[in-house]
Amino acid sequence: DAGVIQSPRHEVTEMGQEVTLRCKPISGHNSLFWYRQTMMRGLELLIYFNNNVPIDDSGMPEDRFSAKMPNASFSTLKIQPSEPRDSAVYFCASSLRASSGANVLTFGAGSRLTVL
Amino acid sequence: GDSVTQMEGPVTLSEEAFLTINCTYTATGYPSLFWYVQYPGEGLQLLLKATKADDKGSNKGFEATYRKETTSFHLEKGSVQVSDSAVYFCALSDTGGSYIPTFGRGTSLIVHP
Repeated sequence: DAGVIQSPRHEVTEMGQEVTLRCKPISGHNSLFWYRQTMMRGLELLIYFNNNVPIDDSGMPEDRFSAKMPNASFSTLKIQPSEPRDSAVYFCASSLRASSGANVLTFGAGSRLTVL
Repeated sequence: GDSVTQMEGPVTLSEEAFLTINCTYTATGYPSLFWYVQYPGEGLQLLLKATKADDKGSNKGFEATYRKETTSFHLEKGSVQVSDSAVYFCALSDTGGSYIPTFGRGTSLIVHP
């Protein structure tokens, strides 16, 4: 398996533009997570899906952020309009939810977003 | 709610030194405990895990023992290498509450030759 695949790896855009980040989870995994990582706030959970259904989006900063998972093999995180404070590394992770609670996440390499 | 507390970094060591990174947790149920490692420019990856009290997780020379009595899961390595330079995250996944992993803030390790 190629692992969790994210694109783009790097994105530089101007304030006000729309940004779309993409994620392909590991085949067979039933949970998908979007995280944001910054120096100031560390690793923050934005939203997670179980069986393609959004379960908890309480970590989404505001209405400018939205996430979708139209099928088991694809998810997007969209920011519209983008602002400089959105600059961060965004990670997608997937897992096979286990009843034992040993929920091991596999992370993608991340998408580094810079908003000028 | 669940929480994980890690020692603040950076931790700076010389090659072949002994490493300890402290981690303590608070959980309402019976958590599984994890250490993830993030190398520069990469995503986090699982380093080791332990699913019940007194279990020892180990991988690549790193070890951590699940201590329920002290609610701790400290990471240790007997002799670090320059290639171990990375950020280390302690995490838990609680069966008694949400199964969503809770991560610590991460501890940066810098190993000098």
